[in-house]
Amino acid sequence: AQKITQTQPGMFVQEKEAVTLDCTYDTSDPSYGLFWYKQPSSGEMIFLIYQGSYDQQNATEGRYSLNFQKARKSANLVISASQLGDSAMYFCAMREGRTGGSYIPTFGRGTSLIVHP
Amino acid sequence: KAGVTQTPRYLIKTRGQQVTLSCSPISGHRSVSWYQQTPGQGLQFLFEYFSETQRNKGNFPGRFSGRQFSNSRSEMNVSTLELGDSALYLCASSAELDNEQFFGPGTRLTVL
Repeated sequence: AQKITQTQPGMFVQEKEAVTLDCTYDTSDPSYGLFWYKQPSSGEMIFLIYQGSYDQQNATEGRYSLNFQKARKSANLVISASQLGDSAMYFCAMREGRTGGSYIPTFGRGTSLIVHP
Repeated sequence: KAGVTQTPRYLIKTRGQQVTLSCSPISGHRSVSWYQQTPGQGLQFLFEYFSETQRNKGNFPGRFSGRQFSNSRSEMNVSTLELGDSALYLCASSAELDNEQFFGPGTRLTVL
């Protein structure tokens, strides 16, 4: 079974509008971390935001916020006021807690976001 | 602080050859992970090193190997290259094993 599911292969948004990128996850581990990365066409993965499974509040980093719904196992990324430079692939990832403190991350297949002027 | 650097950025090899890729983590980071990214399989974890010891390994054949040096720099080696090894190889470093990872620009390997 897929551990991370990103159901939107491509998304389009108008500049200055908000957009939500979906991510659902599957784990039986009570301790895990959820990450979002941005990958521009240059190839480098850029860390955007992190949410821990025990965090009570949704994570926010500037224009990025993570809508964490633990019971539904979803961790959607919300980008407010989209900019042309936001056009990129976006990956959701999860690291599950492991005895010994070592986490192997798994990544979703990604969502391609295109921001129109 | 300088980011994660990877060399070379681009590489073309032929089937059967072997290749070594290099990764220099952010200064002070002790954990280095390697990933393979292909259009078909997406981003897949290869292995993770911490203080010169391999801590985790993904589901890849033994042709894929790596090591980490005392200065935390890491290399990965692929022997007997196959066409399917063509991919973007990404390296990521973190301060500790379970910290946020910072990625390098990747090495794009093409196997002909």
